[in-house]
This record gives sequence, structure tokens and C-alpha cells, in this order.
Amino acid sequence: NAGVTQTPKFRVLKTGQSMTLLCAQDMNHEYMYWYRQDPGMGLRLIHYSVGEGTTAKGEVPDGYNVSRLKKQNFLLGLESAAPSQTSVYFCASSYSGQLSTDTQYFGPGTRLTVL
Amino acid sequence: GQQVMQIPQYQHVQEGEDFTTYCNSSTTLSNIQWYKQRPGGHPVFLIQLVKSGEVKKQKRLTFQFGEAKKNSSLHITATQTTDVGTYFCVGRQGAQKLVFGQGTRLTINP
Repeated sequence: NAGVTQTPKFRVLKTGQSMTLLCAQDMNHEYMYWYRQDPGMGLRLIHYSVGEGTTAKGEVPDGYNVSRLKKQNFLLGLESAAPSQTSVYFCASSYSGQLSTDTQYFGPGTRLTVL
Repeated sequence: GQQVMQIPQYQHVQEGEDFTTYCNSSTTLSNIQWYKQRPGGHPVFLIQLVKSGEVKKQKRLTFQFGEAKKNSSLHITATQTTDVGTYFCVGRQGAQKLVFGQGTRLTINP
């Protein structure tokens, strides 16, 4: 099992460019999450999905879109990148959102710099 | 915004000293999880606490969940250099909402 993988690992964008981050999990998990992590801020939830074809907004959704067309993949899109989106992005998945099965497994992260 | 206060934000200890980080919520939590993130790494699950007053141990790590299910702590006895990293808690409020502590960054002087 590869667990949770993220593509790419690093990316540098210019302001206004667009890009898509890909998260894939091979654990048949229902729930998937996208977070951003900034120094001194901890993890902040951007969007999440409770199943294939469903998405929901998290704490900081503005400037991002997501899609969950396949159960194993969760895509995070930036339509017009801004310097404020410079961050480390983590994807995570969990079997469900129920108490005993909501352990989150995190991917290795994507370090994004927007110039 | 974050509704779980985690303290301290930073902690530097000598190797062999103990370390404790605390999470306090303004509301009752259904459960609380603890994660560790090594420098440059990703968060890794350590443990989950569900019951009021629950105490769990993993070798030198002791986790507690308060009686009111509003606070939790992680205590490391006799720290080692391998304990370096950021420890953070994640609480579940109700059925769906997750609330994150900001994390405590532990550094150790060998």
C-alpha cells in the first residue's frame, strides 16, 4: 500500500497562474481532506469530501476548488494563484467520519510558492 | 478559526527532561486525537482518546482526556532526540466538525 500520495512535491507559480494538486489514496477511504499549513498557524482545513462525488467547504475555502470524481482521488485547484497561497498543502484521508474510524492518514505534502 | 487552544507553542528541553503539551477546548469534544509531525515531514497519528478521564500510554508517552472532555494532555517522560517535532491535537465537535490545536514545537538539546 502506498497510503496517501500527493503530486507534485514542489511547485513555483507566478501570480495569476493556475494549477491542480492531486491526492490519491489506496486504502478505500471514504473521507478525504485538503489542508494548508503556514508557520505558526497550524493546519487549516480548505475543503473536504465525505464520499465520491461530494465536496464541502472547510475553514479557508476561498481561492480554491476541489473535485472528487473518483473515490481514490481528491483534486485541489487554484484558478488564479496569489502570493497569500504560498504554503505547504497536505492531503489526508480517513475511513469515515465516525468516532472510531476517523484517524487521518496524511500525504507527504506539496510545497507551493507563488511569486 | 481554531477553537482548541494548545500550549505552549514552543518548548525547548534538555535531553532526558520531561515535556508536556496541553489542549483546551471551549466546548465538549466527542474525541481527541494526537499527531506528531517531524521537521519537514507530515503529521502521523499517535493515539485517539474517546472516554471521559481516559488515560493511555505508549512507552514514554502518556495521553490524558479530561473528565469534562474539554481538555487533553500529552506527556513525554525522559525525552530523547527522536522526540523532536511538532505535536498537535485534533478534537471532534459533534458529528462532523474537526478542530485543531496550533501545535507545540518541541526541540531538544542533546
